[in-house]
Amino acid sequence: AQSVTQLDSHVSVSEGTPVLLRCNYSSSYSPSLFWYVQHPNKGLQLLLKYTSAATLVKGINGFEAEFKKSETSFHLTKPSAHMSDAAEYFCVVMRNTGGFKTIFGAGTRLFVKA
Amino acid sequence: GAVVSQHPSRVICKSGTSVKIECRSLDFQATTMFWYRQFPKQSLMLMATSNEGSKATYEQGVEKDKFLINHASLTLSTLTVTSAHPEDSSFYICSARSSRGNSYEQYFGPGTRLTVT
Repeated sequence: AQSVTQLDSHVSVSEGTPVLLRCNYSSSYSPSLFWYVQHPNKGLQLLLKYTSAATLVKGINGFEAEFKKSETSFHLTKPSAHMSDAAEYFCVVMRNTGGFKTIFGAGTRLFVKA
Repeated sequence: GAVVSQHPSRVICKSGTSVKIECRSLDFQATTMFWYRQFPKQSLMLMATSNEGSKATYEQGVEKDKFLINHASLTLSTLTVTSAHPEDSSFYICSARSSRGNSYEQYFGPGTRLTVT
């Protein structure tokens, strides 16, 4: 069975400091992992994706994530937070074995303080 | 990149009426479209999966007679909320999966805010 756990429901950082949003997954198959961002009353925007290529994935807006199979983790990081990064972030697992399935994490709300 | 649109972006309707939400893939053909519902401060909940030309597959607990889904073409799926009630007020998001390229790619629409008064 597949599952996604976002370890923090809320993360608060100061502008200019690093961001770490944690995600652990469980999957019986080689997973495809994604991070999406959602601003208030907006749809989901893809930040980055891992699909069994390089384990360090670079995305848009300075975000990156590292796939660590031994730790079953796919944490999202950014060296320096901007006010515009304040949003909800979702870690997502997709599989295409035995039927296409998308599993969403519960989400992490990122607050950025001036 | 692939674009998915939703119309309308916001709709307010009276209790008992029906509302139709459209989801379109603008620059690609979508063999599969998904409809999600999102409550405030919560994650997305999959309601149903629709494949072009066939009946939608509903998730457990989703009333298929209340949430009618039609996937008439490779670029259009519609969700009709029938006899809407205030508890149906929510943010509805569709997504589309391309029929070619990376089979894991799923593109999300901007969402539709439904308010039932």
